[in-house]
Amino acid sequence: SQTIHQWPATLVQPVGSPLSLECTVEGTSNPNLYWYRQAAGRGLQLLFYSIGIDQISSEVPQNLSASRPQDRQFILSSKKLLLSDSGFYLCAWNLAGLAGGQVQPSTDTQYFGPGTRLTVL
Amino acid sequence: AQKVTQAQTEISVVEKEDVTLDCVYETRDTTYYLFWYKQPPSGELVFLIRRNSFDEQNEISGRYSWNFQKSTSSFNFTITASQVVDSAVYFCALSEAGLLYNQGGKLIFGQGTELSVKP
Repeated sequence: SQTIHQWPATLVQPVGSPLSLECTVEGTSNPNLYWYRQAAGRGLQLLFYSIGIDQISSEVPQNLSASRPQDRQFILSSKKLLLSDSGFYLCAWNLAGLAGGQVQPSTDTQYFGPGTRLTVL
Repeated sequence: AQKVTQAQTEISVVEKEDVTLDCVYETRDTTYYLFWYKQPPSGELVFLIRRNSFDEQNEISGRYSWNFQKSTSSFNFTITASQVVDSAVYFCALSEAGLLYNQGGKLIFGQGTELSVKP
């Protein structure tokens, strides 16, 4: 079966410090991967998604970036954190679509990791 | 534009009561998918159900049931005989086939309904 891991679980960082959050998926290949942020108001917002290694799409312009160095690894980074970056960060995966032998995005069910709670002081 | 509205911010019930969580969605796509997720205090989003726009059959899974009505753009969730363990924030979400290739099949979430079940 598939599992998704995130670490760290909790993080407190000063404003201006760098950030690196990691997400890994086990038990599947070529997943679509997603980063969402949940702010205090509870709504979830998509930040980045990826359909393959080094294939990242950004949904919201901000000081965050994402990378996918391996098939099942998705990293969320920042060079300098802002107070507004505080929140709960959730990684998700789903099965990729296939069209003409090419991996595609998918509307298949997204499964979420346990999340990282980030506080920027 | 796509939108999911969960008008009930908080609901409080006593154990064994039935409770319905409302979800209303907006979309111009004819092919779309609706989801419900549960977020317990631990924070992880737990998948509950996925329905596509061509399947309006209601679904029952144990104490959970879902009522999908395209005529009113609603996808409501009912918990029968609620239990304390049902206490959580519940999210309704929408994914559209039309946004697949430029927004990656992203989920559009409602603001969530916080359900509190008291013993």
